Amino acid sequence: AQSVTQPDIHITVSEGASLELRCNYSYGATPYLFWYVQSPGQGLQLLLKYFSGDTLVQGIKGFEAEFKRSQSSFNLRKPSVHWSDAAEYFCAVSYNTDKLIFGTGTRLQVFP
Amino acid sequence: IAGITQAPTSQILAAGRRMTLRCTQDMRHNAMYWYRQDLGLGLRLIHYSNTAGTTGKGEVPDGYSVSRANTDDFPLTLASAVPSQTSVYFCASSEGLAGGPSTDTQYFGPGTRLTVL
Repeated sequence: AQSVTQPDIHITVSEGASLELRCNYSYGATPYLFWYVQSPGQGLQLLLKYFSGDTLVQGIKGFEAEFKRSQSSFNLRKPSVHWSDAAEYFCAVSYNTDKLIFGTGTRLQVFP
Repeated sequence: IAGITQAPTSQILAAGRRMTLRCTQDMRHNAMYWYRQDLGLGLRLIHYSNTAGTTGKGEVPDGYSVSRANTDDFPLTLASAVPSQTSVYFCASSEGLAGGPSTDTQYFGPGTRLTVL
């Protein structure tokens, strides 16, 4: 079955530290990959997406993600976290359909 | 441009009652979606519509129905609410290609928090 795994339920980092949020997908075909962010009490906003080409994708708010086919991963990174980055982050995958499959999310807490 | 609006913002509902969650988009998107968000489960697709006049079942459709009479509106109805339908409901839309692959960004509404007692 198609699935997306976000192994980390909750991550805490200090402001200014680097960040990496993990995402793994299962399925043989190359998927379309997305990262969304949800601020408290808000809907989801797209950070970045990967379809093909360069495996390092730049997104909004200083985020980037790298597609690694050999590891079935699409990890999200940011070199220096800001307090405003505290939110919940969702990885999602689409396999040639109109439907997204979401991971269970990673909650990021940022300490000053 | 408002994007996607949802109403109500929140609702407390007695079990067995009928409830319709409203969703309107002003982006002229073809595709629309309803998700529920539950702690530890992420977002799960309830129903979707690739274009006006068509709908499809998602991962968790039981107990819910939708209609797509026009491009802009995509209401979600709970015919007889049960406590397990307590959740936060998100409507989303994308430009969409009917029956085609989705590389589209989905745009989400602010959500409706529903509590069924």
